[in-house]
Amino acid sequence: EVQLLESGGGLAQPGGSLRLSCAASGFTFSSYATSWVRQAPGKGLEWVSRISGNGGGTYYADSVKGRFTISRDNSKNTLYLQMNSLRAEDTAVYYCAKMGGSGSFWYFDLWGRGTLVTVSS
Amino acid sequence: SYELTQPPSVSVSPGQTASITCSGDKLGNKYACWYQQRPGQSPVLVISQDSRRPSGIPERFSGSNSGNTATLTISGTQAMDEADYYCQAWDNNAGVFGGGTKLTVL
Repeated sequence: EVQLLESGGGLAQPGGSLRLSCAASGFTFSSYATSWVRQAPGKGLEWVSRISGNGGGTYYADSVKGRFTISRDNSKNTLYLQMNSLRAEDTAVYYCAKMGGSGSFWYFDLWGRGTLVTVSS
Repeated sequence: SYELTQPPSVSVSPGQTASITCSGDKLGNKYACWYQQRPGQSPVLVISQDSRRPSGIPERFSGSNSGNTATLTISGTQAMDEADYYCQAWDNNAGVFGGGTKLTVL
């Protein structure tokens, strides 16, 4: 079955760190770029970061640049998001999303179920 | 930074046509996608590359993009189409989502 399964969410203190993981199965993980997208409680979707299939290219939203690091281990079919210097406004469900298309027409064609990150003292 | 604007809500009667707009500066020069998110569920891609329907998405979903506006059209709207809909595009390697539109079928 083609799927993405996130883990690693939980409660963190402001200024703290968490590492999210996303395990992929059912497709050739290394062939596809992948992103993290988050959704604050009751709010809309916000793109966070993306990484190329071979891990050579990474991009970040301004809101997380310098604090979050995206990476992947293609031997383990796993995507990661290292989140440092966490803030209350980082509280959200974090989804990993497989990307289809290329160049100017990327799209998210497979989503995981998400993992909840809560930043609070 | 680039912004996409959607109406917060749209209402439609069953069997009628619903149109959800997404506005952004020269959006027609980019590719727009649309996602459906039912309550408590993950988003699902319903339109890619302005107007392409992924496998498994009903034919009643269609899209267009020109000028400053992309439009998602749902023909013969069904109760199961009640959901939040988000448009999305890329600007300078950054993903941008619209604020979302809640579609009510009543």
